[in-house]
Amino acid sequence: SQQGEEDPQALSIQEGENATMNCSYKTSINNLQWYRQNSGRGLVHLILIRSNEREKHSGRLRVTLDTSKKSSSLLITASRAADTASYFCATDNAGTASKLTFGTGTRLQVTL
Amino acid sequence: NAGVTQTPKFQVLKTGQSMTLQCAQDMNHEYMSWYRQDPGMGLRLIHYSVGAGITDQGEVPNGYNVSRSTTEDFPLRLLSAAPSQTSVYFCASGRTVYHEQYFGPGTRLTVT
Repeated sequence: SQQGEEDPQALSIQEGENATMNCSYKTSINNLQWYRQNSGRGLVHLILIRSNEREKHSGRLRVTLDTSKKSSSLLITASRAADTASYFCATDNAGTASKLTFGTGTRLQVTL
Repeated sequence: NAGVTQTPKFQVLKTGQSMTLQCAQDMNHEYMSWYRQDPGMGLRLIHYSVGAGITDQGEVPNGYNVSRSTTEDFPLRLLSAAPSQTSVYFCASGRTVYHEQYFGPGTRLTVT
């Protein structure tokens, strides 16, 4: 079964607005990662946050992690049309450590 | 560096045929994995490898075999193709499961 689930499934915003997507997962983790997928392409790594970190920034991206709630959020500030893509969270499993499983993704549409 | 390469890009098989999807990386990564992506299902882990000579099953391994005789290559074999295996297949590699994963461009497989 999927380890992570993203929410919402789809999000449509205008350029310049902020986009927030959430990820919930089921088991204890070592790290949580976020990836982007442009239509028909392979996934591209965005950011990794460790289980002992609560917040991390990279450019216009801000990721938070709440291990007590088993959830993470990805905030994209000042969205651009080029941010239109699907976004996935991925988690390892602190018990069976060698698997990296992905959620079902959030489809983000940024319109001009 | 070429990164992660996958061949072929597209393939059509008849039910019962077998084939091998190729995956290679030139980054000396120990960890490699195969995922399939179906609409609305996100990415599901098929098989993974933590190093040459070591492979293990993911979430959906039935109907697929893998081997890892070298660090660079991680082929995925479909033993007897079925229409349910129609999907887009992605190979990925990383230093370990705890690091950023690099994805190939994918193989779009149709089984008729």
